[in-house]
Amino acid sequence: GEDVEQSLFLSVREGDSSVINCTYTDSSSTYLYWYKQEPGAGLQLLTYIFSNMDMKQDQRLTVLLNKKDKHLSLRIADTQTGDSAIYFCAEILSNDYKLSFGAGTTVTVRA
Amino acid sequence: NAGVTQTPKFQVLKTGQSMTLQCAQDMNHNSMYWYRQDPGMGLRLIYYSASEGTTDKGEVPNGYNVSRLNKREFSLRLESAAPSQTSVYFCASSGWDMNEKLFFGSGTQLSVL
Repeated sequence: GEDVEQSLFLSVREGDSSVINCTYTDSSSTYLYWYKQEPGAGLQLLTYIFSNMDMKQDQRLTVLLNKKDKHLSLRIADTQTGDSAIYFCAEILSNDYKLSFGAGTTVTVRA
Repeated sequence: NAGVTQTPKFQVLKTGQSMTLQCAQDMNHNSMYWYRQDPGMGLRLIYYSASEGTTDKGEVPNGYNVSRLNKREFSLRLESAAPSQTSVYFCASSGWDMNEKLFFGSGTQLSVL
């Protein structure tokens, strides 16, 4: 479903930072996720954040959560060619505990 | 560590044909899911099985049936394929706690002509 909204495309130069934004709708979501899909493969969990956190950092990845605005972002520092993929934002719906995915942001890293 | 295994990887059907997509997981997960992925629409849940012996409709169940054969296996059947079912299908599984992360198979690319 399209309860979760993301921009569809992002182009970034190798070595720069990438920022992927997402808005979600369920203010009671307990967990919010970022999944990565490489070409021809299934989705893999990249990182997640619990709803009582504002920020989570994991090596080159920084997740920021603004609960007031229901806004989630993923920052990738020093973007590499291997970061080219589709990134999906997802939220756990509090009424049925199923994941709701955004449409995915295709990140293209150019030299 | 196989994880989630889906077969086949590719399939072409004619309108009206039937087929079954197979999925198996070896992680002793309770919950299994079938999603379809269409360009610009993200992943949409077709059916899920919260535990062995139970199945429930997701967001887009029409035209599909599922069977949770045992704890490991969850199949998706198209009884009479339609061009609108051309998509990439993903099976996924997760542990008992539905807040746990999903593990995905590598997908089945289905074309219905």
